[in-house]
Amino acid sequence: NAGVMQNPRHLVRRRGQEARLRCSPMKGHSHVYWYRQLPEEGLKFMVYLQKENIIDESGMPKERFSAEFPKEGPSILRIQQVVRGDSAAYFCASSPGTGGRVGQPQHFGDGTRLSIL
Amino acid sequence: GEDVEQSLFLSVREGDSSVINCTYTDSSSTYLYWYKQEPGAGLQLLTYIFSNMDMKQDQRLTVLLNKKDKHLSLRIADTQTGDSAIYFCAESLLSARQLTFGSGTQLTVLP
Repeated sequence: NAGVMQNPRHLVRRRGQEARLRCSPMKGHSHVYWYRQLPEEGLKFMVYLQKENIIDESGMPKERFSAEFPKEGPSILRIQQVVRGDSAAYFCASSPGTGGRVGQPQHFGDGTRLSIL
Repeated sequence: GEDVEQSLFLSVREGDSSVINCTYTDSSSTYLYWYKQEPGAGLQLLTYIFSNMDMKQDQRLTVLLNKKDKHLSLRIADTQTGDSAIYFCAESLLSARQLTFGSGTQLTVLP
């Protein structure tokens, strides 16, 4: 039973390029969350999605960042025109959606380490 | 507002018990979680507790919740070198699904 799969594990981009991070949730999970971890800090919530819907994007920077979770395929976190400050580990988590029960544990992927040159 | 705080470092000797502490500020927290992160890896869910519980035990792990003081602790019995990692406390609220994390406690187990 595969866990949350993120790719790539490591991504290097030059300033001004685009970064695309992918996340496939655990089988049977329909809720996806993206978090960012800056060096030596905890994780900060970015966005929460269900299939084809953004439910809460209160943690997303207003510009350059976008996320989607299409009907088919993985969730994508897209960062346009990357800057040095975007260097971080980006984690995806998923949880089941059955019954909409609050508090169902989130299971995390191994993250994508983004480095901006 | 939401705020979760942890001490940054803890060192213990192999075989001793470790106690990692966490405080939170939002009284509407519903679930509280402990995650473990090893270097270069993602977060592994260790255990979680619903806010109407006082204690939960799972093998070597014991979670204690003092809701009045908004204090959560994780006790690891018979700590092993493989327990060396960063431990994150997190909360979820009734009003939102996302988790709010503390900054993590680096546990070092000395031989």
